[in-house]
Amino acid sequence: AQSVAQPEDQVNVAEGNPLTVKCTYSVSGNPYLFWYVQYPNRGLQFLLKYITGDNLVKGSYGFEAEFNKSQTSFHLKKPSALVSDSALYFCAVRDRGQNFVFGPGTRLSVLP
Amino acid sequence: EAQVTQNPRYLITVTGKKLTVTCSQNMNHEYMSWYRQDPGLGLRQIYYSMNVEVTDKGDVPEGYKVSRKEKRNFPLILESPSPNQTSLYFCASSFPGGIKTDTQYFGPGTRLTVL
Repeated sequence: AQSVAQPEDQVNVAEGNPLTVKCTYSVSGNPYLFWYVQYPNRGLQFLLKYITGDNLVKGSYGFEAEFNKSQTSFHLKKPSALVSDSALYFCAVRDRGQNFVFGPGTRLSVLP
Repeated sequence: EAQVTQNPRYLITVTGKKLTVTCSQNMNHEYMSWYRQDPGLGLRQIYYSMNVEVTDKGDVPEGYKVSRKEKRNFPLILESPSPNQTSLYFCASSFPGGIKTDTQYFGPGTRLTVL
């Protein structure tokens, strides 16, 4: 069965600094990987996905993620963090069917 | 406006009293899904549906039922709610998986408390 780990419950970063939110996964076959963001009292919003192709995926709001097959990782990155990026971030994997598994989430706090 | 709607947004009920949470999408999506969100556990998939009359269990289906009689609607039914079903529930929809699709659109959530 597939699984997703987000090893950090909380990530703090100063505004303007680069940020990384980590994700590792376990899935049989080729992975379909996603990042979603949840702002307070809101549903989840799609950020980006990796299905196939380039290992570096660019998404919404200046975020990008790097797929690393050998390390089974899909870390989310942004070169320069904004205070408005503060939110809860979820990594997810889909199997060959349509069963999605989400990680536990990482709370990002960007400090002014 | 393309959206996924859920009703009610908040519900407090008692153990054993049947309830239904509705979910509707206006994007003509084939795929719909229900999740529950609990602190420290992230989102866990309850049920999903690939199309009308096609439903499958997710990771935590016990105590829940779903139906998909129309493409736009995917209600979640709790026949006999218990306190361990107190949670935040999200409905989502998308086109089926593939390179250009697979992006799920989420509803605003339903906060359920079972006393």
